[in-house]
Amino acid sequence: KNQVEQSPQSLIILEGKNCTLQCNYTVSPFSNLRWYKQDTGRGPVSLTIMTFSENTKSNGRYTATLDADTKQSSLHITASQLSDSASYICVVTAHAGAGSYQLTFGKGTKLSVIP
Amino acid sequence: GAVVSQHPSRVICKSGTSVKIECRSLDFQATTMFWYRQFPKKSLMLMATSNEGSKATYEQGVEKDKFLINHASLTLSTLTVTSAHPEDSSFYICSARGASGMSQYFGPGTRLLVL
Repeated sequence: KNQVEQSPQSLIILEGKNCTLQCNYTVSPFSNLRWYKQDTGRGPVSLTIMTFSENTKSNGRYTATLDADTKQSSLHITASQLSDSASYICVVTAHAGAGSYQLTFGKGTKLSVIP
Repeated sequence: GAVVSQHPSRVICKSGTSVKIECRSLDFQATTMFWYRQFPKKSLMLMATSNEGSKATYEQGVEKDKFLINHASLTLSTLTVTSAHPEDSSFYICSARGASGMSQYFGPGTRLLVL
């Protein structure tokens, strides 16, 4: 069964500090892994997408890593800002045959950045 | 990235009435659209998948007669919640995928409150 597990469930950090969120998956056959940011009451917004051959991908203060061997990914946020407070969702896409894909969602990590 | 819009962004209705939510892909042709439901502090749950011009495929436990989905064009899908009840109150999010299959873009969500 395809599964995506994220840790921690929630995290509180001081503004300006860095943090790292984790994602472990058992999705197969792997196509890609995305990190999304979801603000309260809004739809998810894609931060990064990585395919099997990519180890790291950056988007501003967000840096995602992928270890396809251990099936782990991390999202590192540098110099956090109050606006980073949101849920961060790891989504892994699997090939489902005949050109179709299946997404498996993690439950997300709720990040709160406090002044 | 591609843009997906939803309308309305929030709606309040009386119990027993029907509510229609629209999902549009603004700058690409969405061959497949997905409808998700998200309860507070929970992860997104896939309700159904629709391909343009064909009937939607519903996930287990989702009543197809209650949640009517129409995907009549490559840029528009609608979700109609029929005879809404208070337990249908939730955050409904659509996403759209183009012909390439890999990238999936989310709408901003619609907050439904049934009184």
